[in-house]
Amino acid sequence: GESVGLHLPTLSVQEGDNSIINCAYSNSASDYFIWYKQESGKGPQFIIDIRSNMDKRQGQRVTVLLNKTVKHLSLQIAATQPGDSAVYFCAENVDNFNKFYFGSGTKLNVKP
Amino acid sequence: AAGVIQSPRHLIKEKRETATLKCYPIPRHDTVYWYQQGPGQDPQFLISFYEKMQSDKGSIPDRFSAQQFSDYHSELNMSSLELGDSALYFCASRPGQYNSPLHFGNGTRLTVT
Repeated sequence: GESVGLHLPTLSVQEGDNSIINCAYSNSASDYFIWYKQESGKGPQFIIDIRSNMDKRQGQRVTVLLNKTVKHLSLQIAATQPGDSAVYFCAENVDNFNKFYFGSGTKLNVKP
Repeated sequence: AAGVIQSPRHLIKEKRETATLKCYPIPRHDTVYWYQQGPGQDPQFLISFYEKMQSDKGSIPDRFSAQQFSDYHSELNMSSLELGDSALYFCASRPGQYNSPLHFGNGTRLTVT
């Protein structure tokens, strides 16, 4: 399958700080990317997505940045809260319809 | 809002037994995906269906089969179970349109002893 991976397996941040989670992808043809949050014992939960014709998209407290030149994706979480503690995955869509490949997750620990 | 429903939530089987996992997608979602997630691993794509037809295949063992029914629910059938099949199995659905995210159920935890 396609290679979608994350640089850091674990990230610890202080409550209230901003978090940045990174993801690298290998297929330059991918045109749709999604960030998911997965809490223990639950399925991945959609956070935010971005299409390849954009380089930035903002949601509530979250921002996704896409750098197609270096095939890099990042998720920024503002004012990180204890409830943000989870594993975060990026997913890449190839073939513009069927295949979604997930990268290795980053575990975010928020310290009170 | 309705979510993806998976059953059962937990399943314990012995080696060489069979298992059937069920998935009920969000209403009006015509595309279903199955993923397998081992402990501490990312979800691995198994198979997908669109409009009741298999649309793509990933790393699904030949011992596994799946189908999507006329009401769009899907079942993953697993035979000759092995210890290595122990994992979380997620189903996800999405409407059959480009650039729409997958919505996941809470999974079935399969333990093979």
